[in-house]
Amino acid sequence: AQTVTQSQPEMSVQEAETVTLSCTYDTSESNYYLFWYKQPPSRQMILVIRQEAYKQQNATENRFSVNFQKAAKSFSLKISDSQLGDTAMYFCAFMNPYGGSQGNLIFGKGTKLSVKP
Amino acid sequence: NAGVMQNPRHLVRRRGQEARLRCSPMKGHSHVYWYRQLPEEGLKFMVYLQKENIIDESGMPKERFSAEFPKEGPSILRIQQVVRGDSAAYFCASSPPAGVRAGVHEQYFGPGTRLTVT
Repeated sequence: AQTVTQSQPEMSVQEAETVTLSCTYDTSESNYYLFWYKQPPSRQMILVIRQEAYKQQNATENRFSVNFQKAAKSFSLKISDSQLGDTAMYFCAFMNPYGGSQGNLIFGKGTKLSVKP
Repeated sequence: NAGVMQNPRHLVRRRGQEARLRCSPMKGHSHVYWYRQLPEEGLKFMVYLQKENIIDESGMPKERFSAEFPKEGPSILRIQQVVRGDSAAYFCASSPPAGVRAGVHEQYFGPGTRLTVT
């Protein structure tokens, strides 16, 4: 069974600085998808970025980028120029749309990020 | 373009009552997923539905929980005879049908329903 581990329960960063959130996962599949979701205090789940395992190039979305290391099964999220609005829980998630799980997301336990002014 | 809608946003039930949670997917989306989030935890998959079909219910408790996604109307997650341990946030997500290139495999979440059992 696939598992997702986020080893940092809480992190903090000063506004305008860069922070990296770590995520590791375990799977025997070769094709899959990885996601980072943000959950601010409103509790709305917001998709931040996604990575397809067959793509070697790391995904980027504005200030958000990932470091995808397939062999190491690592998928970290880098937030550059942190803003107060980035304060939220961040969840790493795995999906295997081709297997028996039928595409449901498997989430880590989350990292609570606080951006300080 | 309306996002995924869930109602109610907050629901309070006494032990033994029934809870009904509703989810309307994004326009054009035919796949619906339900997840449960316990306090201080990540989301856990419960059930995956397409119109009139349950595709995967491997994450759903065997008793008291049921889900449907009828041809017309929202998807419903139903919890009978609620207990305190059912208190959680329940999220619905939707995704477009297979073959639609844009947004394939991306799930868009509703705001969640927070269920409190007293």
